[in-house]
Amino acid sequence: QSALTQPASVSGSPGQSITISCTGTSSDVGGYKYVSWYQQHPGKAPKLMIYDVSNRPSGVSNRFSGSKSGNTASLTISGLQAEDEADYYCYSYTSSSTVVFGTGTTVTVL
Amino acid sequence: QVQLVESGGGLVKPGGSLRLSCAASGFIFSDFYMIWIRQAPGKGLEWVSYINGGGGDIYYADSLKGRFTISRDNAKNSLFLQMNSLRDEDTAVYYCARVGSTWFINYWGQGTLVTVSS
Repeated sequence: QSALTQPASVSGSPGQSITISCTGTSSDVGGYKYVSWYQQHPGKAPKLMIYDVSNRPSGVSNRFSGSKSGNTASLTISGLQAEDEADYYCYSYTSSSTVVFGTGTTVTVL
Repeated sequence: QVQLVESGGGLVKPGGSLRLSCAASGFIFSDFYMIWIRQAPGKGLEWVSYINGGGGDIYYADSLKGRFTISRDNAKNSLFLQMNSLRDEDTAVYYCARVGSTWFINYWGQGTLVTVSS
């Protein structure tokens, strides 16, 4: 049950686009469409941003999008805004019938 | 609206036990898998355990080595986590959450802090 690998930090200027990667294996990210992404602001509970690789829950800005290629999933934030500054985690179902989170990425808006 | 409220956290000595509870409302509790997730101070999210609606399908993170037990009482819309033989490294905020149809987590509680320290 090793954590999925994410970059520790990603930064961008307001208005720019950034992409966060999430690398797993064929037993988790690569094997299922059950990849989701969560945003967490300091001291708050996480919030679902993307589910099933690329679907957005109602109420989540369309500036957030998800994709997957092989064993790597990605979250793209376009038109970066100050309020997007937060920690982001990917998450996947696994072939062992367990779930696993990514290591987390801190997004900084310059 | 969906609400999840955890309770039972606090300060406990190493080797001690604690039972966390999560009161659910706003949805048909027995229809959903529920999950416990924890976050150590300054660290990332870590899955702890999940249980299906009927209580018969249960999984734990390998790191727990049988010290934790998840359960639920559908009549009382409640989820529990019995934690035994607690260690310093179990110090974390513990979140109760609801699992969606394809394993995503769409509702979270506010979390309850468990501190293991002598």
